[in-house]
Amino acid sequence: AQKVTQTQTSISVMEKTTVTMDCVYETQDSSYFLFWYKQTASGEIVFLIRQDSYKKENATVGHYSLNFQKPKSSIGLIITATQIEDSAVYFCAMRAMPNYNVLYFGSGTKLTVEP
Amino acid sequence: EAAVTQSPRNKVTVTGGNVTLSCRQTNSHNYMYWYRQDTGHGLRLIHYSYGAGNLQIGDVPDGYKATRTTQEDFFLLLELASPSQTSLYFCASSPGGGAEVFFGKGTRLTVV
Repeated sequence: AQKVTQTQTSISVMEKTTVTMDCVYETQDSSYFLFWYKQTASGEIVFLIRQDSYKKENATVGHYSLNFQKPKSSIGLIITATQIEDSAVYFCAMRAMPNYNVLYFGSGTKLTVEP
Repeated sequence: EAAVTQSPRNKVTVTGGNVTLSCRQTNSHNYMYWYRQDTGHGLRLIHYSYGAGNLQIGDVPDGYKATRTTQEDFFLLLELASPSQTSLYFCASSPGGGAEVFFGKGTRLTVV
């Protein structure tokens, strides 16, 4: 069965620094899809960035990037030049066989960006 | 703008009561989902559907029914609500396959 694990419960960083949030996953499938979502203080859940397992290049969107280490089953989220408004809970998620149509989530990492 | 809209946004009910949570999507997506979110558990899948009249069981289905009446509308039903079902509920939609899932703003349900 698929499993997504985020071991960092919370992280605190200073504004304008770089932070990395960890995520490891388990799947028997050779082809899968990895996602990061952000849950804001209002509770809204927003899609940030994705990595398809067959792509070797790490995905980048704005000041979000991924560190995809396939041999380690790891997909880290890197936020550069953090801003106060990056404070949120970040979820890692995966789609894999036997059911690509379901998204499985990790338990989340709470990020606090201090001024 | 394409969206996933949940109603109500907040609901308080008594133990043993009936509750229906509604979700409508204008994304023209085939797949719709109901998740619950509880502290320490992240998002857990209750039920999902790939089209009108279809229902698939998720990971935490006990105590919940769901019905997809149209491509746009997906309902979650709690027929005998219990305090353990106090949670934040999210509806979501997706084209399916490897695509992203798009979430509604959530419904906070309290069972007293």
